[in-house]
Amino acid sequence: EPEVTQTPSHQVTQMGQEVILRCVPISNHLYFYWYRQILGQKVEFLVSFYNNEISEKSEIFDDQFSVERPDGSNFTLKIRSTKLEDSAMYFCASSSTTESYGYTFGSGTRLTVV
Amino acid sequence: DAKTTQPPSMDCAEGRAANLPCNHSTISGNEYVYWYRQIHSQGPQYIIHGLKNNETNEMASLIITEDRKSSTLILPHATLRDTAVYYCIVRGTSGSRLTFGEGTQLTVNP
Repeated sequence: EPEVTQTPSHQVTQMGQEVILRCVPISNHLYFYWYRQILGQKVEFLVSFYNNEISEKSEIFDDQFSVERPDGSNFTLKIRSTKLEDSAMYFCASSSTTESYGYTFGSGTRLTVV
Repeated sequence: DAKTTQPPSMDCAEGRAANLPCNHSTISGNEYVYWYRQIHSQGPQYIIHGLKNNETNEMASLIITEDRKSSTLILPHATLRDTAVYYCIVRGTSGSRLTFGEGTQLTVNP
């Protein structure tokens, strides 16, 4: 069964450093997403991406965040200057349309900011 | 997207059917009901979705009431591996985000 692959599985970074989280969505999917889950809290939407541009973003997705699909297969989330409160699980997801058959999520990257 | 209400937790015996309810009384005509689950900090996993007809797949069945104000996810023969948080999400066709609530923690007991 096709999978969404995320790397690394765990990343530790110092406060103020830039991090890039990487995702390989399912190959024929057209919509890409990032969600995050702070420990013990709900899964929160960050951003959706379609046709090489952001289609929707949440209030969490401020200027320190950016997304990119640099080479037609990878989908990345960059956090420019990490803060302690950015520590969370970050989930990438993809879907073939906005409604059919649901999303496929990756297994996540645990980001720890120290 | 319409708000959903789910019980915070449920228990089920292994091998028995697990019936997880969800209220979505403000659902509008073009909104679908989706069910996902999350097994201990893994990525959420899509289970099933429907608009107004009952649906069944290899994982579960979804029963939607005629007025569409509530639904029930049925796991016909629950196993220990079905222990997870189950999320009921209502989402329209035009929006792209999934809004996760607190979900129902289902514990399947041996």
